[in-house]
Amino acid sequence: KNEVEQSPQNLTAQEGEFITINCSYSVGISALHWLQQHPGGGIVSLFMLSSGKKKHGRLIATINIQEKHSSLHITASHPRDSAVYICAVEIWGSNYKLTFGKGTLLTVNP
Amino acid sequence: DTEVTQTPKHLVMGMTNKKSLKCEQHMGHRAMYWYKQKAKKPPELMFVYSYEKLSINESVPSRFSPECPNSSLLNLHLHALQPEDSALYLCASSQGGSGSPRRTDTQYFGPGTRLTVL
Repeated sequence: KNEVEQSPQNLTAQEGEFITINCSYSVGISALHWLQQHPGGGIVSLFMLSSGKKKHGRLIATINIQEKHSSLHITASHPRDSAVYICAVEIWGSNYKLTFGKGTLLTVNP
Repeated sequence: DTEVTQTPKHLVMGMTNKKSLKCEQHMGHRAMYWYKQKAKKPPELMFVYSYEKLSINESVPSRFSPECPNSSLLNLHLHALQPEDSALYLCASSQGGSGSPRRTDTQYFGPGTRLTVL
């Protein structure tokens, strides 16, 4: 079982819809990252969370440490939001470890 | 300047070639990372440099040799690669802390180098 599970794997939405992508993890973490990757490769860091909620424009990320769960919400979705969204958890133990989820492919149709 | 640059954008090499990938940032970050990403898979961490010292090597084969000549520059030297090493190689940087990337920092990613090994 992967340490980081994302759902759904694929998501198709109509422009304007509210979107939620979920991330669950099975270990204690130091922080959780949400990343966006467009076709062609470039990755953009959207959020880094260790507790609570963060908002940036139409994007909102929440994390529940007790339940080991995070969500990424996109309000008023737009075709330019089409990308792969990746959750990654950061673990500090004797070594640093960054484990990625498999990503969620979001397609927003006009 | 919040940009991480990578060169070249694309690289095709034979199994006997020696080539290098370059990554540069001018944000004053002291932690730099190399990732490998195969098609339709998430990135995998390869190396982490902190204050120009290699702090993490995720059991990467020796045909990949990282180098951090100064705080702004990170190289990945490639030698005797295999076709299965074909992938997108991503560099990232973060502010970092002393000794290792002990602060949980936002990572800034470069656009990647798409490597094809023939």
